[in-house]
Amino acid sequence: EAGVAQSPRYKIIEKRQSVAFWCNPISGHATLYWYQQILGQGPKLLIQFQNNGVVDDSQLPKDRFSAERLKGVDSTLKIQPAKLEDSAVYLCASSSLPSGRALYEQYFGPGTRLTVT
Amino acid sequence: AQSVSQHNHHVILSEAASLELGCNYSYGGTVNLFWYVQYPGQHLQLLLKYFSGDPLVKGIKGFEAEFIKSKFSFNLRKPSVQWSDTAEYFCAVMNYGGATNKLIFGTGTLLAVQP
Repeated sequence: EAGVAQSPRYKIIEKRQSVAFWCNPISGHATLYWYQQILGQGPKLLIQFQNNGVVDDSQLPKDRFSAERLKGVDSTLKIQPAKLEDSAVYLCASSSLPSGRALYEQYFGPGTRLTVT
Repeated sequence: AQSVSQHNHHVILSEAASLELGCNYSYGGTVNLFWYVQYPGQHLQLLLKYFSGDPLVKGIKGFEAEFIKSKFSFNLRKPSVQWSDTAEYFCAVMNYGGATNKLIFGTGTLLAVQP
């Protein structure tokens, strides 16, 4: 099966500019996640969607970050305006809906490496 | 709040050496545990997972991990590493029963295997 697709793979912008990332999850996966991975750290969840509804956005800096998942499939993550500390890899992942205590796997995309100068 | 500690940030081994990477988590409730691996230039992929049953879990490529509840640990092991195991390894924990299925990742361990 096709994996999680992300674009662009690399992006360099100046601070205060805006940027958008796109994610296409695995077909049929109801849950979609955006993670931020700063160099030397593990991924940190920014936002989780179930279908087109937000389940958790507690760690999303809402003053500058926004995300949407129209029609419960593709998703975009936007940063406006960007700061130097936003330099990171932005990972998208998707998974099936869990059932009971069924353990499901999150499948990760290749990520978008953002450099803010 | 749940946290995950990976004590080894960089590990360098020769081929055929044994590997053990430490992982400890802080939350004492029911947890699901994972090890993910990221090979150079590739995306994160699941190495193995635990949610119940036998605390010794076997994953892909000869890796295994042991869940020790009393020590809040989920260490990753491999008896004999290969050059192709060079990668970054992430331990992750999910608290079962929460409203979300949030994975909390450790900071990762960079493993370099010398031929």
